[in-house]
Amino acid sequence: EAGVTQFPSHSVIEKGQTVTLRCDPISGHDNLYWYRRVMGKEIKFLLHFVKESKQDESGMPNNRFLAERTGGTYSTLKVQPAELEDSGVYFCASSQNRLAGGREQFFGPGTRLTVL
Amino acid sequence: GESVGLHLPTLSVQEGDNSIINCAYSNSASDYFIWYKQESGKGPQFIIDIRSNMDKRQGQRVTVLLNKTVKHLSLQIAATQPGDSAVYFCAERLTGGGNKLTFGTGTQLKVEL
Repeated sequence: EAGVTQFPSHSVIEKGQTVTLRCDPISGHDNLYWYRRVMGKEIKFLLHFVKESKQDESGMPNNRFLAERTGGTYSTLKVQPAELEDSGVYFCASSQNRLAGGREQFFGPGTRLTVL
Repeated sequence: GESVGLHLPTLSVQEGDNSIINCAYSNSASDYFIWYKQESGKGPQFIIDIRSNMDKRQGQRVTVLLNKTVKHLSLQIAATQPGDSAVYFCAERLTGGGNKLTFGTGTQLKVEL
């Protein structure tokens, strides 16, 4: 079974530009999460989708970040316009519905974003 | 691969020795705790978890201990191997806080041959 995949693996953009990150969760996983790790600090929660609905977006830093999960399958995270402090590694994770016994979050390899 | 922060705590152990990685968590209302391992260029990988109604749980070569009194979590790795070299993160989930995880800063484990 394929794990969580993310694209691109690495993105280098200039300040002010737009970048869109994509996450494909494990097939059948209703829950999808975005996290990020900036400047070698701890991994921080950004938001949580249940299917196509935003369950919790308390970690989104500001309105330059927009996450979508149309159709409840893959998700995109757009940063517009990107700022220097947005540089870091963006992780996506997915988990099964809790009623189906899901609790463990499976993480993708991350997208390393560098804003110059 | 992903670079670690300059201030990431590091634990160096000899191959074959036991490793103990510690974590202090922040919220007494957390009900679920997980240890993740992250190798360079990869995402965090689940190692072991424990619910707040337990104080110990064992897996294959790993044991997690939970001390709720002092809000302390530890991961013990028996007979540490070179493949155990990675950054280890503890994470907690707040009761009633949905599924989001709050991560610690991580500890770099280096296994010396």
